[in-house]
Amino acid sequence: EIVLTQSPGTLSLSPGEGATLSCRSSQSISSSYLAWYQQKPGQAPRLLIYGASNRATGIPDRFSGSGSGTDFTLTISRLEPEDFAVFYCQQHGSSPHTFGQGTKLVIK
Amino acid sequence: EVQLVESGGGLGQPGGSLRLSCSASGFIFSNYWMHWVRQAPGKGLVWVSRISTDGSDTTYADPVKGRFTISRDNAKNTLYLQMNSLRAEDTAVYYCVRYSSWWGFEYWGQGTLVTVSS
Repeated sequence: EIVLTQSPGTLSLSPGEGATLSCRSSQSISSSYLAWYQQKPGQAPRLLIYGASNRATGIPDRFSGSGSGTDFTLTISRLEPEDFAVFYCQQHGSSPHTFGQGTKLVIK
Repeated sequence: EVQLVESGGGLGQPGGSLRLSCSASGFIFSNYWMHWVRQAPGKGLVWVSRISTDGSDTTYADPVKGRFTISRDNAKNTLYLQMNSLRAEDTAVYYCVRYSSWWGFEYWGQGTLVTVSS
């Protein structure tokens, strides 16, 4: 089973600042099968990034993804108030389709 | 518009059974693999199970293997999760998810809460 480890667990930032979220895999995975999701309280997760670096439909360009192999990054430039949420990375290249434990982005 | 609507959640007894349903609309249901993902209260996302387009191929996470059964009725555009031998640790919101190998888990239902307690 591929284990995804996200860091930090909690990130405290102010609107307008930039955020960098990390996702590290226990083994190399194809970038094609690395996705990022955003989840707000009481809501279902929403696909943000697919294929490690491609924004899903309707996702603002302040969200970007990068990385390869075992290290992947979600970057949010110029945080907006609506961006504060929990973010999960996921690999769907092999079963089980594991998620990271999440990074909670909170307003400072 | 793609819609996934789960139902069937509620209170289940330890050792008992529940069946979840997910009604799909707005897309050709039979063209997509479908998954179930769960989230215990205050916890992260955990993949549960998946099923191929025609139902012939199914996979389960180890904690539910042998107890849960995923199935689908393409004529009714509905995905199911039969949950047997329920345990307290099965308490979670269960999400129905549409999958594509290109996008990943691209559409999620709103979730249905399963609580296992006596």
